[in-house]
Formats: sequence, structure tokens, C-alpha cells
Amino acid sequence: AQSVAQPEDQVNVAEGNPLTVKCTYSVSGNPYLFWYVQYPNRGLQFLLKYITGDNLVKGSYGFEAEFNKSQTSFHLKKPSALVSDSALYFCAAVAGANNLFFGTGTRLTVIP
Amino acid sequence: NAGVTQTPKFRILKIGQSMTLQCTQDMNHNYMYWYRQDPGMGLKLIYYSVGAGITDKGEVPNGYNVSRSTTEDFPLRLELAAPSQTSVYFCASSYGQSGEQYFGPGTRLTVT
Repeated sequence: AQSVAQPEDQVNVAEGNPLTVKCTYSVSGNPYLFWYVQYPNRGLQFLLKYITGDNLVKGSYGFEAEFNKSQTSFHLKKPSALVSDSALYFCAAVAGANNLFFGTGTRLTVIP
Repeated sequence: NAGVTQTPKFRILKIGQSMTLQCTQDMNHNYMYWYRQDPGMGLKLIYYSVGAGITDKGEVPNGYNVSRSTTEDFPLRLELAAPSQTSVYFCASSYGQSGEQYFGPGTRLTVT
């Protein structure tokens, strides 16, 4: 079955340290890959996407993600975490309008 | 530019009642989506539309109906509400399937 996996429900990181939120996908074809962030009682907000080209994608708020085709991964990274980065992060893969999958989310907590 | 708006924000329904969740976008996006978000389950696609007059089922369409008479509006109809439909519902829109999705603020629905 096709899916997107976020293996960690929770990630804790100290403020100022680098952060990584993991995502792997099992979707047929060459899916478009996205990261979204959700703050409490809000809808999801777009962070970045990979369509084609350079494997390192830069997005909003200093986030970046690395596409690795051989490992079917699209991990989200940031060199220096801020307390305000604390939120719920979702990875998504789109291989068609009716062929799109979201991960179950990873709650990031940045500790002051 | 309001983006994606949803009404109502909250609603409590009794079993067997029906209601319509409203969704409007002002970005002239051709694609629109309805998701439900259950705790720890990520987002599940209910229905989607690739343009006015065209709708199709997503992963979890049972118990729901949609229509898309205009580019801007994509209402979701719940007939004969059941407790299993208790969830948070998000509407989203995008320009094409490779475009990032813009999400509304969500509707929290409780069926008792």
C-alpha cells in the first residue's frame, strides 16, 4: 500500500541546536513532496516542496529538506532551532490529484 | 486576499442530522480538497475537485457529498451524521497537483 511515514511522533531539540524531522515515502511514480507545519487550532501552512532538480530544497523560516531518491526520504532540517518552531509537522507526497498521502505528523518541541 | 475560508468553525450535531460545511477560496485555484484530521492519524482525503463541475472521491468518501458549481466554492455535505464523523475538517486549494495547498482554518465537528 502506498503511504508516507513519519517514524517519530515527537522530536525534542534544544534551542540553537540543529533539528531533523524524518519522512519516508512509498508512492508509485515520481511524487511531488511537501512539508507543512500546523500551529494549534490552525490549518496547515506550506513550508517547502520538491518537484524536480536540486535535491536540497530551501523553504520558509530557514527550513530546508533533502530529497534522497534511493532511500525514498525527504527529511526536514534546520541548522538552528527556535522555540517558535515548536509545532506539528506533516510530510506529504502527491502523485496525482487522487493519489496524495500525508504522514501522521511529528510534534516538534524546541526547549529553551 | 482572504485565502481559504471555512464556516462554521465549530458545530455539534445529533446523530442523523445533516449539515453543509462551506469552503471558499479567492485565489482562482482550480484544485480544491476536503480532508478530515483525526488525532494521531494525519489527514485523510475525503473528496477533491480539479475544476468547476468536476469532483471525485478520495480515500474516505462514505457519508459525504460535494459539489463544485463555481471555481471559488466547494461545499461538503454530511447526510445522516454518525459519531464516526466526529473530526476536524479542512478545506484546501492549489494551482494544479504540483502546487502547494492552501488550507482553511478548519471546522471542528462533534456528532453525539
